[in-house]
Amino acid sequence: AQSVTQPDIHITVSEGASLELRCNYSYGATPYLFWYVQSPGQGLQLLLKYFSGDTLVQGIKGFEAEFKRSQSSFNLRKPSVHWSDAAEYFCAVGPTGGGNKLTFGTGTQLKVEL
Amino acid sequence: DTAVSQTPKYLVTQMGNDKSIKCEQNLGHDTMYWYKQDSKKFLKIMFSYNNKELIINETVPNRFSPKSPDKAHLNLHINSLELGDSAVYFCASSQELAETQYFGPGTRLLVL
Repeated sequence: AQSVTQPDIHITVSEGASLELRCNYSYGATPYLFWYVQSPGQGLQLLLKYFSGDTLVQGIKGFEAEFKRSQSSFNLRKPSVHWSDAAEYFCAVGPTGGGNKLTFGTGTQLKVEL
Repeated sequence: DTAVSQTPKYLVTQMGNDKSIKCEQNLGHDTMYWYKQDSKKFLKIMFSYNNKELIINETVPNRFSPKSPDKAHLNLHINSLELGDSAVYFCASSQELAETQYFGPGTRLLVL
């Protein structure tokens, strides 16, 4: 069965430092991969997605992610974190099963120290 | 312009009541979804509709009944609310199956 693992429940970084959030997936075929961000009390906003092609994808807000098939990973990176990046980050894989079901990881909460 | 909207944003109610959450998307998408986010922030799909037809129905109690009057709307009706139904419910939509899903702001349901 498909699954997504985000090993880090909480991460704290200083403003201006680099960031990497880890995501590992288990999927029987070529996956579609997504990163979403949820700010406190808000909905989910799509940061970036990978469907095919270039394994390094660029997203909004200066984020990027790299698909590594050999490691079953899709880690999210940002070279310099801003205080406004503090939020919950979710990795997701799909479609899973019939009907485009997304399977989400458990999320990583990012705190940014000023 | 809000792409995917939900009403209400907050819902506080007593056990045993019946309530509805409404979702509308103005993106012209064919597929809509309901997800539940529990207190640990875990997101899990509940239902998916494509062109007003139910295509995903996860193991959700039959107290939950989705209704899609047209492609732009997918409402969620919950009968006999229980404490465990307290969660954030997200609506989402996508152009077609296997396309990017766009989420609404969520409805925070608290059952007392």
